[in-house]
Amino acid sequence: AQSVTQLGSHVSVSEGALVLLRCNYSSSVPPYLFWYVQYPNQGLQLLLKYTSAATLVKGINGFEAEFKKSETSFHLTKPSAHMSDAAEYFCAVGGTGGFKTIFGAGTRLFVKA
Amino acid sequence: NAGVTQTPKFRILKIGQSMTLQCTQDMNHNYMYWYRQDPGMGLKLIYYSVGAGITDKGEVPNGYNVSRSTTEDFPLRLELAAPSQTSVYFCASSIQKPSTDTQYFGPGTRLTVL
Repeated sequence: AQSVTQLGSHVSVSEGALVLLRCNYSSSVPPYLFWYVQYPNQGLQLLLKYTSAATLVKGINGFEAEFKKSETSFHLTKPSAHMSDAAEYFCAVGGTGGFKTIFGAGTRLFVKA
Repeated sequence: NAGVTQTPKFRILKIGQSMTLQCTQDMNHNYMYWYRQDPGMGLKLIYYSVGAGITDKGEVPNGYNVSRSTTEDFPLRLELAAPSQTSVYFCASSIQKPSTDTQYFGPGTRLTVL
């Protein structure tokens, strides 16, 4: 069985500050891990994904995430927040052993000027 | 290349009415999905298709039906709408199965059942 927990339904940061969105997963098989972003009134789009290659994954718009097997985590970071980063972010887990992707509940990021 | 398109963007239904949510993709993807998104709940898979003529139930299929007569189109039918079906519906597609591949999402349909 697989599951995803995103810590914090809302995160607020100041423009220029570090962005850290937390994701912990549970998987009985080697996981594939995804971060999707949803801008207001739009569908989800892929930010980055981990496929068991490099543990540090770089995505679009300056975001990156690090796969830590010992901590079962895949936290999303960005060194300096921009106003345009305000959106909802979803962590998801899949893998070669199954079909579906399991989505977390989402974290809404607010960026203050 | 329009990607995944959905119509309508918004709809209000009365209890007991029926409607079809349309979804079209122009990327020649075999895999297509319907999700519903409820606040604080993430996305739940309603139905999926692995190719024209092949569909299967996801996690929350009750009250919905689908068909897949072409690679491009994957409509979702709501019969006898209920307030519990108030949600945002997303159609998505991918080249390979979603557990390993990027999914491409449409802009969504916001449905309210009163």
